[in-house]
Amino acid sequence: EDQVTQSPEALRLQEGESSSLNCSYTVSGLRGLFWYRQDPGKGPEFLFTLYSAGEEKEKERLKATLTKKESFLHITAPKPEDSATYLCAVSFHAGNNRKLIWGLGTSLAVNP
Amino acid sequence: EAQVTQNPRYLITVTGKKLTVTCSQNMNHEYMSWYRQDPGLGLRQIYYSMNVEVTDKGDVPEGYKVSRKEKRNFPLILESPSPNQTSLYFCASSGSREAFFGQGTRLTVV
Repeated sequence: EDQVTQSPEALRLQEGESSSLNCSYTVSGLRGLFWYRQDPGKGPEFLFTLYSAGEEKEKERLKATLTKKESFLHITAPKPEDSATYLCAVSFHAGNNRKLIWGLGTSLAVNP
Repeated sequence: EAQVTQNPRYLITVTGKKLTVTCSQNMNHEYMSWYRQDPGLGLRQIYYSMNVEVTDKGDVPEGYKVSRKEKRNFPLILESPSPNQTSLYFCASSGSREAFFGQGTRLTVV
């Protein structure tokens, strides 16, 4: 079954305490894996797209990596303003169509 | 500035009273979609459109309609809303790399 699973569901960090969020997927015909950030009551905001295993992308304190089965979002020395829900989505081929499946997200809280 | 604009942001309505949520994008994207987001269920696609006059069902289309008469607009129509359609709704407009989301419409059906 095509599936995207994010872990942990929730994570609480102290400011400066680095950690990683996981997005594992079971799809065939991967077209791309996306990371988004969502603040409460707002629309998801694009962070990264990864297309193939071994690819890495960085933006400020965030770094996303991709393997054939999972992606990690590494957060280095987080600040309180990094508190948000981080969503992962996977685009893949389904017959003649393309499909997009979203994970349920990891809710990150960074304490000052 | 790239923008997806949804209106209204908040809406409380009664069961059975037809409503429309508007969505407009300024990026000349061909692909637009509607999602609903519910606790524990995540983002689920309702309908999508690959171009003007081309729309198709997503994962949870029951009780919803859409139209795409112009490239920039993609309204979501609830002909006869029911309480199980109480949710947070997002419109998205997608380019080749990423999707841009609107600010969301929080709909309550009583």
